[in-house]
Amino acid sequence: DGGITQSPKYLFRKEGQNVTLSCEQNLNHDAMYWYRQDPGQGLRLIYYSQIVNDFQKGDIAEGYSVSREKKESFPLTVTSAQKNPTAFYLCASRGSGRVFGNEQFFGPGTRLTVL
Amino acid sequence: AQSVTQLGSHVSVSEGALVLLRCNYSSSVPPYLFWYVQYPNQGLQLLLKYTSAATLVKGINDFEAEFKKSETSFHLTKPSAHMSDAAEYFCAVSERADKLSFGAGTTVTVRA
Repeated sequence: DGGITQSPKYLFRKEGQNVTLSCEQNLNHDAMYWYRQDPGQGLRLIYYSQIVNDFQKGDIAEGYSVSREKKESFPLTVTSAQKNPTAFYLCASRGSGRVFGNEQFFGPGTRLTVL
Repeated sequence: AQSVTQLGSHVSVSEGALVLLRCNYSSSVPPYLFWYVQYPNQGLQLLLKYTSAATLVKGINDFEAEFKKSETSFHLTKPSAHMSDAAEYFCAVSERADKLSFGAGTTVTVRA
């Protein structure tokens, strides 16, 4: 069954802690994305990666970090520098070329709450 | 620069009535346009996409959208609302098929 998995589904963090959100895809997609969703604000791009070992900042990268060591995996770390991390985090992937089309496919999301 | 405006953060329709969700975009080049649906606490699911092949695009669950270049619009419609259509809908634009810009979303409520 091809798709995108995110774990955990719910995550609770104490202030001052770093946490890492997992995103894995088995769609053989080159590009992967992290978005943050807050009520009434749509989705905002945090980081994206178009190829292994390369990634770019999105619109709201401050307080976040990523790595892309494998094509299948794109973990997001929410650091203590992120002042308001409570949100719903969505991971997506996108294939390239005529075979895959150009739409992004989304995982089920991780809801992060800071206590 | 690309951007999207969704008119109306909440839409309420009766079951069986027309659903109309409005989306206007700005783009410096011919854009790719998408509509996604999100059910509570879930990820986004693609409803349909415009990639310049045809101006009227049909998607899943009887949704369709029409690309109007002169109006820079990509409104989403469904002839007859069903209770299962209650969800949040997002319009998105991409100039180069690499990054998406999303609208703020429209929440649809369906009344019995």
